[in-house]
Amino acid sequence: AQSVTQLGSHVSVSEGALVLLRCNYSSSVPPYLFWYVQYPNQGLQLLLKYTSAATLVKGINGFEAEFKKSETSFHLTKPSAHMSDAAEYFCAVSGYSSASKIIFGSGTRLSIRP
Amino acid sequence: GAVVSQHPSRVICKSGTSVKIECRSLDFQATTMFWYRQFPKQSLMLMATSNEGSKATYEQGVEKDKFLINHASLTLSTLTVTSAHPEDSSFYICSAREGGGAHNEQFFGPGTRLTVL
Repeated sequence: AQSVTQLGSHVSVSEGALVLLRCNYSSSVPPYLFWYVQYPNQGLQLLLKYTSAATLVKGINGFEAEFKKSETSFHLTKPSAHMSDAAEYFCAVSGYSSASKIIFGSGTRLSIRP
Repeated sequence: GAVVSQHPSRVICKSGTSVKIECRSLDFQATTMFWYRQFPKQSLMLMATSNEGSKATYEQGVEKDKFLINHASLTLSTLTVTSAHPEDSSFYICSAREGGGAHNEQFFGPGTRLTVL
């Protein structure tokens, strides 16, 4: 069984500050890990994904995440927040097989203060 | 990235009627399509997985007779909510995957907001 836990349903940071969104995963098999962003009334857009290559994954819009097996974590960071980063962020996990499904976390709403 | 469209983007219907939502992959062939529902301020819950030309696989607790899924071609899947009730009001999102492997990216549609009166 696989699952992800996102710590903090709402995170608020000032514009220009560091963004840190936390995600811990549980998986009985080596996982694929994802971060998605969702803007209001829209579908999901893939920010980045980990597929067992480099542990530090760089994504779009300046985001990156580091896979830490010892901590079962895949936290999302961005050095300097921008107002346009305000959105809902979902961490997700899947297995390697073709039958694997993506399991989503509960989401973290990111607010940016001017 | 690849584009997935959904139609309609929002629909309002009366209780007891059926509603069909279309999901299309515009520039690739989708071997597998997924249907999710999302309640306000909640995460996406997988409803079913469909492979082109075969019956959909439903998640536990999802009524297959209520949520009819058809994946007749490699670019089109439809979700029909039959005899809709107010509790079916939700945001329905589809995604499409080109290959069979989990390493292939899923591309998400923009979602359909269903409101049942």
